[in-house]
Amino acid sequence: AQKVTQAQTEISVVEKEDVTLDCVYETRDTTYYLFWYKQPPSGELVFLIRRNSFDEQNEISGRYSWNFQKSTSSFNFTITASQVVDSAVYFCALSEASTGNQFYFGTGTSLTVIP
Amino acid sequence: NAGVMQNPRHLVRRRGQEARLRCSPMKGHSHVYWYRQLPEEGLKFMVYLQKENIIDESGMPKERFSAEFPKEGPSILRIQQVVRGDSAAYFCASSPGRQGARDGYTFGSGTRLTVV
Repeated sequence: AQKVTQAQTEISVVEKEDVTLDCVYETRDTTYYLFWYKQPPSGELVFLIRRNSFDEQNEISGRYSWNFQKSTSSFNFTITASQVVDSAVYFCALSEASTGNQFYFGTGTSLTVIP
Repeated sequence: NAGVMQNPRHLVRRRGQEARLRCSPMKGHSHVYWYRQLPEEGLKFMVYLQKENIIDESGMPKERFSAEFPKEGPSILRIQQVVRGDSAAYFCASSPGRQGARDGYTFGSGTRLTVV
């Protein structure tokens, strides 16, 4: 079973629009960690955020914000006033305290920001 | 303070050849992880190594794939007798201790393997 689901395969928005990338996870652990990574066209993986299961506070970093809701097992990512440089594939990932040092990645959402 | 270094960035091999992918962890990091990204898919865990030890190889294909992390030198992911299905991006990550996936480890830029 897929532990991390990113249902949106591709999204296109016009520059300056807001966009939300969805992430739904599945785990039986009470202690777990959630992450978002960005993969720009150049291919590297850029760490964006880490959240642990005990901290449901939403976080804002510039134009980026994250909404963590344990009740719906979701960890959604919103980009406000999108820019062309935001065009990338975004991955949501889960790690569990019980399974050690492995990340479970979603299949990614490809975001294209049209100028 | 260099990050995780992977080389080569791009590697082309003919079917049946061997591919050797190298990963030098960040300074001070003794734990290395390898992931594979097949075309249009997310990353899948392959193996977790500590210096001179394989800790978890639950994601490694049973045949043709091996990994090592010697006392000196980089970690090596070795693929013998490559097939077209091995074409993928291979990412390496490192962490200073065993809690890498808890803290979020740093990935290298990846090696893109193309099998022709």
